[in-house]
Amino acid sequence: EIVMTQSPVTLSVSPGERATLSCRASQSVSSNLAWYQQKPGQTPRLLIYGASTRATGIPARFSGSGSGTEFTLTIGSLQSEDFVIYYCQQYNDWPLTFGGGTKVQIK
Amino acid sequence: EVQLVQSGAEVKKPGESLKISCRGSAYSFTNHWIGWVRQMPGKGLEWMGIIYFDDSDTKYSPSFQGQVTFSADRSINTAYLQWSSLKASDTAIYYCAAWGTEGGGWFDPWGQGTLVTVSS
Repeated sequence: EIVMTQSPVTLSVSPGERATLSCRASQSVSSNLAWYQQKPGQTPRLLIYGASTRATGIPARFSGSGSGTEFTLTIGSLQSEDFVIYYCQQYNDWPLTFGGGTKVQIK
Repeated sequence: EVQLVQSGAEVKKPGESLKISCRGSAYSFTNHWIGWVRQMPGKGLEWMGIIYFDDSDTKYSPSFQGQVTFSADRSINTAYLQWSSLKASDTAIYYCAAWGTEGGGWFDPWGQGTLVTVSS
């Protein structure tokens, strides 16, 4: 099983600043990686797939990069609604696996 | 608007059976895989498995193999997740989501989730 490790677990950032979230795979997943956002009490929402392609309707301040085992989600200028939890997911191999999540909180 | 609509919250006792549903609204499940994801209270997302709607081909996570069963009813565009004997540790929110659209392995869109509470 491919283990996905997200860091940090909690990230404290000021509004308007940039946030950089990391996701590491225990073995290569090529570019078969997705990012999701989950607001409290809400359903996860797809942000990024293919490691770097924004899903429909996702603002340009969200960007993804990386391949192989190291991936990054960057939020360019944090808005109030961005202070929530983010998950990565690999779909390169079975079983599909999610990272444990990064909570972005206001500094 | 494309939606996956899940059945309502359930409260059950240990040992009871349960079947929850996921219906496509303005979204045909034909030629689609539907996935199930568990989120235990205060925890992250766990992939349970997927079912191909057309022929009910399934792929289960090893962690859930034998613990749950996926099924589908094409006549009413609905997928199901069921348990034969619930445990307290099954208490969680269960999400359905379309998987594999556009040839990829991500989940989109998602249902609103079904909260299952198992308590004596």
